[in-house]
Amino acid sequence: AQKVTQVQTEISVVEKEDVTLDCVYETRDTTYYLFWYKQPPSGELVFLIRRNSFDEQNEISGRYSWNFQKSTSSFNFTITASQVVDSAVYFCALSESQAPNTGGFKTIFGAGTRLFVKA
Amino acid sequence: DSGVTQTPKHLITATGQRVTLRCSPRSGDLSVYWYQQSLDQGLQFLIQYYNGEERAKGNILERFSAQQFPDLHSELNLSSLELGDSALYFCASSVLPDSEDEQFFGPGTRLTVL
Repeated sequence: AQKVTQVQTEISVVEKEDVTLDCVYETRDTTYYLFWYKQPPSGELVFLIRRNSFDEQNEISGRYSWNFQKSTSSFNFTITASQVVDSAVYFCALSESQAPNTGGFKTIFGAGTRLFVKA
Repeated sequence: DSGVTQTPKHLITATGQRVTLRCSPRSGDLSVYWYQQSLDQGLQFLIQYYNGEERAKGNILERFSAQQFPDLHSELNLSSLELGDSALYFCASSVLPDSEDEQFFGPGTRLTVL
């Protein structure tokens, strides 16, 4: 069965510190997608990254980087030199095809990690 | 602004009632997704439509139903409401029906059941 685990419920850091948010997933599918979303205090959900199961290349986008390791079923997210504006809840999600295959995908979210960045 | 609109922004109703939440996807997006975010259950995928057809179903209760209309807007109907249905309901849209495509989220409808 699908499962996404974000073991860190809350993390508090001081501005300019690096912080890594952990995400571990379970799936039986060989084709799946992993996502990270940000939910700032204003409440909207913001897409950050998508990675498919065949692409283990790590990605860097500005201060954000993602480390995908299929061997450990992990998709961790690092913020370098954190800023107060990074304070938000971050969700990791797993999407796999609907069974029987209807062409749609169902998505499971982790419980989220609340990040506090203090000035 | 993601381009996805949801109405109403807030809804307060009583147990046993029925409500309809509306979502207008971004221009050009054919796929619509509904999600529920509650304190108890976290963020949950409910259902996906693509060009009027149901494509994927998540943990959607039988008391809930949805549809996507020919103009591509979608409605989520919640009936026989219970206190536990109080949540933030998000709609998202994408061009394609699969996870290759980025989903853009609306601001959500906050439902309070008293």
